[in-house]
Amino acid sequence: GESVGLHLPTLSVQEGDNSIINCAYSNSASDYFIWYKQESGKGPQFIIDIRSNMDKRQGQRVTVLLNKTVKHLSLQIAATQPGDSAVYFCAENISRDDKIIFGKGTRLHILP
Amino acid sequence: DVKVTQSSRYLVKRTGEKVFLECVQDMDHENMFWYRQDPGLGLRLIYFSYDVKMKEKGDIPEGYSVSREKKERFSLILESASTNQTSMYLCASSRWAGAYNEQFFGPGTRLTVL
Repeated sequence: GESVGLHLPTLSVQEGDNSIINCAYSNSASDYFIWYKQESGKGPQFIIDIRSNMDKRQGQRVTVLLNKTVKHLSLQIAATQPGDSAVYFCAENISRDDKIIFGKGTRLHILP
Repeated sequence: DVKVTQSSRYLVKRTGEKVFLECVQDMDHENMFWYRQDPGLGLRLIYFSYDVKMKEKGDIPEGYSVSREKKERFSLILESASTNQTSMYLCASSRWAGAYNEQFFGPGTRLTVL
């Protein structure tokens, strides 16, 4: 079965608020984690990644947090905008492995 | 920028037809992947290829085959399409294993089998 999962299938957030999307993984050997964004009718697009030797990484309006103790990953989106409406997937990888394991995704709804 | 293209955005086929889905990447990536995406099931790996003429089964290879004759092109073949193969098909590519290999995705092909 999948080793990566998400706590909530759907998240609704007020425009302008911060969004937090959570993800749990079970493979302690995973050392690379990625967040993807998939807009309707499009393929997943890379947002941000983090290696296991880090616990936080920031991008433009996005921050990924990694807690290896509890095998938890989160994506924080600051000042959520209508364009952030999408399905967000976390994914894990062992760096010597070609394959990435994807979670089922969380749909982010932006409320006006 | 990496570009992964898929031959069709939408495809409608009849049960029993042979279906070819084509994927091309322009970044000289060694690895290429085919996934299907279904509501509530996420992305499931069908096959992947780590080199020309090399392939490995993913999680759900039954009913599918693949071909990689050139590095930039990876084809997914449905030998005899069935209605349960109606799905969104996504192709991806990445650099060789050993690197932190983010996968780059194409736009997807939505296949309907009638």
